[in-house]
Amino acid sequence: QSALTQPASVSGSPGQSITISCTGSSNNVGRYNLVSWYQHHPGKAPKLMIYEVNKRPSGVSNRFSGSKSGNMASLTISGLQGEDEADYYCCSYAAGSTDWVFGGGTKLTVL
Amino acid sequence: EVQLVESGGGLVQPGGSLRLSCAASGFTFSTYWMTWVRQSPGKGLEWVANIKEDGNEKNYVDSVKGRFTISRDNAKNSLYLHMNSLRAEDTAVYYCAREDLLLGRGAFDIWGQGTMVTVSS
Repeated sequence: QSALTQPASVSGSPGQSITISCTGSSNNVGRYNLVSWYQHHPGKAPKLMIYEVNKRPSGVSNRFSGSKSGNMASLTISGLQGEDEADYYCCSYAAGSTDWVFGGGTKLTVL
Repeated sequence: EVQLVESGGGLVQPGGSLRLSCAASGFTFSTYWMTWVRQSPGKGLEWVANIKEDGNEKNYVDSVKGRFTISRDNAKNSLYLHMNSLRAEDTAVYYCAREDLLLGRGAFDIWGQGTMVTVSS
C-alpha cells in the first residue's frame, strides 16, 4: 500500500479538464512543498511534469498545473489530448523511514 | 543527448545477489544526486535509494536497508545498486533517475528506461 493515495483511474474527453488527487499526511504532503508529478507511458521512462507543488519544467505544456491544500496535492490537466493518456504518479518528500514516497498511480483515459 | 541507461537485471533465486548499473551521458554526472526507483508488477513506483554527488551520503527505504547498497563511480559516469539477500518482493523494474537540485528538491528530471529484476526459484 502506497504512502500517498491516488484514484486508480480517471477519464475525460478531448478538450475537457481533469484533476488527479494525491492524499498524504502531515508527515509528507502536508509538511513539505516538495510534491512532484510524473507521467508514465508503460515501457518508457517516466517524465517529470510538475515539481515543488506547482512548478513546470521547461518543455512541459502549460495545460499541466499543480496545487496543494493541506495534506492533499492535485494535478490538473486542461484541454485534454489523446497523448495525455498515461499513468500519473505523485511524489512527496517524507519524514521518517524513507526520503521520498510515491502514490500508487492514476491511469488517465482520454475517451 | 542527456541519457540514463540501466543494465544488469535478470532472473535470480531468492537469497541471491545482483548488481544493477546505470550509465549516464550528456551531462556532468558528478554534480547530481542520483536515485533508484522501482516498480513492482502491477504496482506503483517506490523510491529505493539515493546518493549524493560525491557519494558521501546515501539514503535507503527501510525495506532494503542492510541488503542493498547504492554507489557511484564519477570517473565512469556510472551509478550502481548492489542487491543482496534478494526476496520475491524485490521483483520489479528498476529505474535510475537524476535529481536536478537547480530546479528543486525532488525534481527527478531524467529517468532511464528501466531494467527488470525477477526474484524466483
